[in-house]
Amino acid sequence: SAVISQKPSRDICQRGTSLTIQCQVDSQVTMMFWYRQQPGQSLTLIATANQGSEATYESGFVIDKFPISRPNLTFSTLTVSNMSPEDSSIYLCSVAAGGTSTDTQYFGPGTRLTVL
Amino acid sequence: AQTVTQSQPEMSVQEAETVTLSCTYDTSESDYYLFWYKQPPSRQMILVIRQEAYKQQNATENRFSVNFQKAAKSFSLKISDSQLGDAAMYFCAYRSGGGGADGLTFGKGTHLIIQP
Repeated sequence: SAVISQKPSRDICQRGTSLTIQCQVDSQVTMMFWYRQQPGQSLTLIATANQGSEATYESGFVIDKFPISRPNLTFSTLTVSNMSPEDSSIYLCSVAAGGTSTDTQYFGPGTRLTVL
Repeated sequence: AQTVTQSQPEMSVQEAETVTLSCTYDTSESDYYLFWYKQPPSRQMILVIRQEAYKQQNATENRFSVNFQKAAKSFSLKISDSQLGDAAMYFCAYRSGGGGADGLTFGKGTHLIIQP
């Protein structure tokens, strides 16, 4: 499995501002994924980030609201833009890794975001 | 689109007993993967067990095993000899087969309580 870190671990932000979340992996991976977990809910995929190409967004998520960067094979950022209280969630990055298999996703510790 | 259903919002079991968590899914694909993840209060998503759809043999990992019924599209998790540390949210997840480029589709989760 991969070791994944996220920064910040938590933050409290004012509405209308933006927050950039960083995700760092200890090994090179092709695919990185960003998920949102709203309070008391399950995880929902926001987008898939492949190094060297534009991120692919799921229905209901747009690049203007959640811009993603993927500058290399070990790092990605997710920005939550023009935040509102509805954006209060845990944001998790994950990678497809595991020896010869990329079929299993491993998750970072998450970023707990509260928007006031 | 694939859907994953966990019909038990909460389950309770006595320590050292066995408990089974239910999961059903809907898909028209023949190649896919199924997972159980555990999320303790720390919010870290921890992989419990995975199952490849092409394998008839049920996956096992120590005290954790699955009952994979492909025709019925059922994927239940059995936890034997329950321990206090097993208390967590458990999420069933689905991923399409091939390439590792697809994100996970999660069920709503089951909150597992371990009674001492």
